[in-house]
Amino acid sequence: DSGVTQTPKHLITATGQRVTLRCSPRSGDLSVYWYQQSLDQGLQFLIQYYNGEERAKGNILERFSAQQFPDLHSELNLSSLELGDSALYFCASSVGRETEAFFGQGTRLTVV
Amino acid sequence: GNSVTQMEGPVTLSEEAFLTINCTYTATGYPSLFWYVQYPGEGLQLLLKATKADDKGSNKGFEATYRKETTSFHLEKGSVQVSDSAVYFCALKGSTDKLIFGTGTRLQVFP
Repeated sequence: DSGVTQTPKHLITATGQRVTLRCSPRSGDLSVYWYQQSLDQGLQFLIQYYNGEERAKGNILERFSAQQFPDLHSELNLSSLELGDSALYFCASSVGRETEAFFGQGTRLTVV
Repeated sequence: GNSVTQMEGPVTLSEEAFLTINCTYTATGYPSLFWYVQYPGEGLQLLLKATKADDKGSNKGFEATYRKETTSFHLEKGSVQVSDSAVYFCALKGSTDKLIFGTGTRLQVFP
């Protein structure tokens, strides 16, 4: 158990809908990262937060947004969903710079 | 910007064979380097890490040495098992705190 909790584990929704994925980082970790992993693809970095502020942005679509709350949990919002958004979405957390990140088990999103 | 390049897979080996998965990086400064493993249907687990030049990370029989002169962090294991079948990701984290991954290398070990 990495200590990073993601909910829900599975999500099935229709095209055009909006979903929210939740991540609770390890106790004491200030950084939260979000990644997308599609079938047979590597990890695409989406966005990173540090202590409530956006620190880095990757290949995140405009339909996607995220935030980190004062209690350090983070949410990734995906809207106007398309079939191609079906993927595993991972959250990771770390204490800070140059330290290892620990990953949650992921949320498997299926858009039908 | 920073980047990580891994050898393409799949790597197919017989049990007890020697494993090498190549990883090279491009980065400014002195990043920390990591290997993560993803077993089928699971999330990523940290396998080993090295935080400065010439450091050797090791875990579960796997090793990797931080080589600044060749900007490499190759993963090795002397004798692989069927249970080592997974996807292995090389990653780096620099002063910007951004965690950057390679594309992953699938390892398949047959009895």
